[in-house]
Amino acid sequence: DQQVKQNSPSLSVQEGRISILNCDYTNSMFDYFLWYKKYPAEGPTFLISISSIKDKNEDGRFTVFLNKSAKHLSLHIVPSQPGDSAVYFCAATGSGTSYGKLTFGQGTILTVHP
Amino acid sequence: EADIYQTPRYLVIGTGKKITLECSQTMGHDKMYWYQQDPGMELHLIHYSYGVNSTEKGDLSSESTVSRIRTEHFPLTLESARPSHTSQYLCASSEYGGGGTDTQYFGPGTRLTVL
Repeated sequence: DQQVKQNSPSLSVQEGRISILNCDYTNSMFDYFLWYKKYPAEGPTFLISISSIKDKNEDGRFTVFLNKSAKHLSLHIVPSQPGDSAVYFCAATGSGTSYGKLTFGQGTILTVHP
Repeated sequence: EADIYQTPRYLVIGTGKKITLECSQTMGHDKMYWYQQDPGMELHLIHYSYGVNSTEKGDLSSESTVSRIRTEHFPLTLESARPSHTSQYLCASSEYGGGGTDTQYFGPGTRLTVL
């Protein structure tokens, strides 16, 4: 049972435009969400997170939006840069998870063209 | 920048060999994790630890074992490697963020190939 889903395997955008990566979840116990960026042959790098008490969190070019009623979150990258090309994973966890377990989506490959 | 290290980065080994993947962190984090990831797939938790002398199995069944004798060190061992163990192994650590808001920081991973 896939509790965190990233339904778009890939996304291609032009440099300078907005990239929007989407993520859906099914477990209503999740209340903390994270986005990671991963280059091939490297470990994931933490980008940004959001708690369920918020609907938006911003950090530089990265903004994460959370729609709890729809169980949906999205990562916006503005403006997109070629160096942003990577695999993006969303992950979720809940306060009821005693060991901080993260459940990951399958990832979305973002390609930013110069 | 998180300080978490994994060695080796790449390992090609024959079936039946015993291997140990090393993971160390210098942040003093109590919690450490091992994930397995196949290409194009999500990360699956195979082991985790709350602290010294604490280890637990994760969601994905794994024939590997782990130990946590020191806070900074969390090695993973396969007693007898098989081709089905071919994968990328990622180590992570976190400090308690309160209310389940732990943020995990990952090492660079070990790409294991068993022939």
